[in-house]
Amino acid sequence: EAQVTQNPRYLITVTGKKLTVTCSQNMNHEYMSWYRQDPGLGLRQIYYSMNVEATDKGDVPEGYKVSRKEKRNFPLILESPSPNQTSLYFCASSINGLAGASYNEQFFGPGTRLTVL
Amino acid sequence: ILNVEQSPQSLHVQEGDSTNFTCSFPSSNFYALHWYRWETAKSPEALFVMTLNGDEKKKGRISATLNTKEGYSYLYIKGSQPEDSATYLCAFIRVTGNTPLVFGKGTRLSVIA
Repeated sequence: EAQVTQNPRYLITVTGKKLTVTCSQNMNHEYMSWYRQDPGLGLRQIYYSMNVEATDKGDVPEGYKVSRKEKRNFPLILESPSPNQTSLYFCASSINGLAGASYNEQFFGPGTRLTVL
Repeated sequence: ILNVEQSPQSLHVQEGDSTNFTCSFPSSNFYALHWYRWETAKSPEALFVMTLNGDEKKKGRISATLNTKEGYSYLYIKGSQPEDSATYLCAFIRVTGNTPLVFGKGTRLSVIA
């Protein structure tokens, strides 16, 4: 089944404890992206990747890192999480991208709800 | 700052009513507009990808139009059903700029049986 998977789905952690949220897609998509969703603010792009070894900042990259060593995986790393990173996170992928954005429809993962105490 | 506005923020309609909502975006450097449907506790799912001025797309009872010159897109739902209850998001994609992809905050639709 074509899908985007994220792990973990739920995470409660404490300030400063490094964590990684994994994202994997099995559709051979070139473009992948991370978003966070906060009440009243809508979906905001954190980082995106046009292809392997090509990553770039979105709207709200501060406090996050990403890597794209393989086409299928795009992990989101929080080196020192803080309470303002409590949010619902979505990973998404699409066939390809242009000028940093997805031209084609994006397929979203199930979301990761992160709470930082 | 790139602004993508969706209106109304929320909408309650009776089953069987037809409804529509708006996505407004900057008309310059337009590349594409996406519409997504987002049900509670699920992930956003793509409805339409629109690229050309005058585009009209249809999927069942849902359709969308696009006006890139004036910077708006309409989403229409004909004969709303309870299962149409969701948040409808638009995403604006432009050719250049530091923020190439921006989502609106969505229109939350509730269809009352």
